[in-house]
This record gives sequence, structure tokens and C-alpha cells, in this order.
Amino acid sequence: KAGVTQTPRYLIKTRGQQVTLSCSPISGHRSVSWYQQTPGQGLQFLFEYFSETQRNKGNFPGRFSGRQFSNSRSEMNVSTLELGDSALYLCASSLFRVESYNEQFFGPGTRLTVL
Amino acid sequence: DQQVKQNSPSLSVQEGRISILNCDYTNSMFDYFLWYKKYPAEGPTFLISISSIKDKNEDGRFTVFLNKSAKHLSLHIVPSQPGDSAVYFCAASAIKNFNKFYFGSGTKLNVKP
Repeated sequence: KAGVTQTPRYLIKTRGQQVTLSCSPISGHRSVSWYQQTPGQGLQFLFEYFSETQRNKGNFPGRFSGRQFSNSRSEMNVSTLELGDSALYLCASSLFRVESYNEQFFGPGTRLTVL
Repeated sequence: DQQVKQNSPSLSVQEGRISILNCDYTNSMFDYFLWYKKYPAEGPTFLISISSIKDKNEDGRFTVFLNKSAKHLSLHIVPSQPGDSAVYFCAASAIKNFNKFYFGSGTKLNVKP
């Protein structure tokens, strides 16, 4: 079974630009979550999508947005990039089981550098 | 506000000895905890989990202990192997059905041959 894939793997942008990152979950997984990893901060939860709907949102500004398509693939967008947005962006997918915690499977991440 | 904390950025252990990685949390509503391992250039991979109804869970060389009164959990690796060298993250969640996890900042484990 193919794992979670993220594209592109590396990205360099300049301040003020916008960027779109893509995530393809494991087949059959309908939940996709996004995390930002910066040195010393660990993984910070951005948002989670399930059945094309955002179910959870972390504490990030509105410049960070996402969406999910009917095939469960997800994209996240960051507009008006700032230097502090340089980070590894991780996508995780999981099954959905009622009244249960669901193990998340992570992709390799997209390394975004903002110059 | 960091609700899950890993206060040791790094840990160095000799091969064959025990590695103990620690994690503290502040939110008493957390009732499910996980440990992930992360190698460079890869995403985190799930290691082991524990729910708040237990105080210990074992899986091979990995054991997680949960002390709810102290809001503390630890991961024990016995015996440690060089291949265990990686960054370890603990994570916690308070709401079933919703995949909103709070992660610590990670501990880099180095197992020396």
C-alpha cells in the first residue's frame, strides 16, 4: 500500500509570494491533517479535513488555508509569505473510526524556504 | 502555549543500555498519548500509544509509562540499538473522532555503538 505522498518535497519562495502544497493520503484514508514543524517548536497543528470539510483548526493566521477534494487529496495554501513561514510542512492521513483515536500516518513533508 | 513539553532536546545512550525519553503535559483533558520516531528527510512514524485508562503499554523493546497525577509520560527503549537514533516526539489528544494532536518539540536520541 502506497504511503502518504507530498509534493513538492522542496520549495523556495520569496516574501510576499503565495504557495500551494499538495498531499495525497493513503488509499481509503479520509482524514488529512497538516502540521508545521520548526526547530525547537515541534509539530504545530494547522488544520484537519474530513470528507472535504475542515473539522479542526490550529492557532495560525488566516494566511494559512486548506481544502480537501472528493478523492481525499488535500492542498494547503499560504499567502503573503513571511520569513517565519520557513518550515517543514507535514501532512498526515488516517482512517476514521467512530469513538476511537486514529493513528496518523505522515508523509515525508515539504521543506519550504522563504527568502 | 505549549501543552506538551519535552524538556530534553537531546539524549545520548550507549548501545545495549536503556533509553528513557520524557514528556510532560499541562492539559488534564488529554486522554490519549502517542510516541513517534522521526528520521531525517522522513515523516514521523508511529511507535506506541497509551490511553489514560492504562499506566503502561509495551511493544517489544518499547514501553510507555503514564503517570496521570504528575501529567508525565515516558518512553523506555531496552535495549537501545544504533538504529534507534532519531528524533522522538510525544503527542497527546483530548477529543476522540478528531485528529487534533498536540506534539512536543522532540528529543534527539543518539545511541552510540
